[in-house]
Amino acid sequence: NAGVTQTPKFQVLKTGQSMTLQCAQDMNHEYMSWYRQDPGMGLRLIHYSVGAGITDQGEVPNGYNVSRSTTEDFPLRLLSAAPSQTSVYFCASSPGGSSYNEQFFGPGTRLTVL
Amino acid sequence: KNQVEQSPQSLIILEGKNCTLQCNYTVSPFSNLRWYKQDTGRGPVSLTIMTFSENTKSNGRYTATLDADTKQSSLHITASQLSDSASYICVVSDRGSTLGRLYFGRGTQLTVWP
Repeated sequence: NAGVTQTPKFQVLKTGQSMTLQCAQDMNHEYMSWYRQDPGMGLRLIHYSVGAGITDQGEVPNGYNVSRSTTEDFPLRLLSAAPSQTSVYFCASSPGGSSYNEQFFGPGTRLTVL
Repeated sequence: KNQVEQSPQSLIILEGKNCTLQCNYTVSPFSNLRWYKQDTGRGPVSLTIMTFSENTKSNGRYTATLDADTKQSSLHITASQLSDSASYICVVSDRGSTLGRLYFGRGTQLTVWP
């Protein structure tokens, strides 16, 4: 099993550009989520999905869109990048939505917005 | 306000020594507390999870304790190794269901010197 994979590993954007961060998992997990990690702050939830076709907002959803057409994939779209979106983005998956279920994190995407 | 505070912010120890990391939380209600290890440039990996009724849980050289009355947890690392150099993150959940929210601490950066 590859676990949770994310692409790209690094990305530099200009303000106003759009892009999609890719996330895939091969563990047949129902629950997937996106976090951002900023220096000196804890991980913050952006969006999550409890299954294919079902998504919901997390703590900091503004400026991001998600969709879940398959169990395996959960892409994160930046509509119009802003410098405030410079961060490290982690995708995670777990067998269920309960906090008792261990979340498996991808390696992260480091995004810089100029 | 639900918060998770970790101390110290950073710690340097010599290889072979023991250390203890602290986590204080104000999350209520309380469901469970998890410790993650995050290597540089990688996603977090779960070390232990404890529920309200559990006082101690071990994972190899890592031992976590929980005092639900004082809302404190600690992570003790025994006979440290160079590979223990990482950020250790405390995460508290307010519910065990899908509705539960995860509160992330900012992490303790541990450096183990040879």
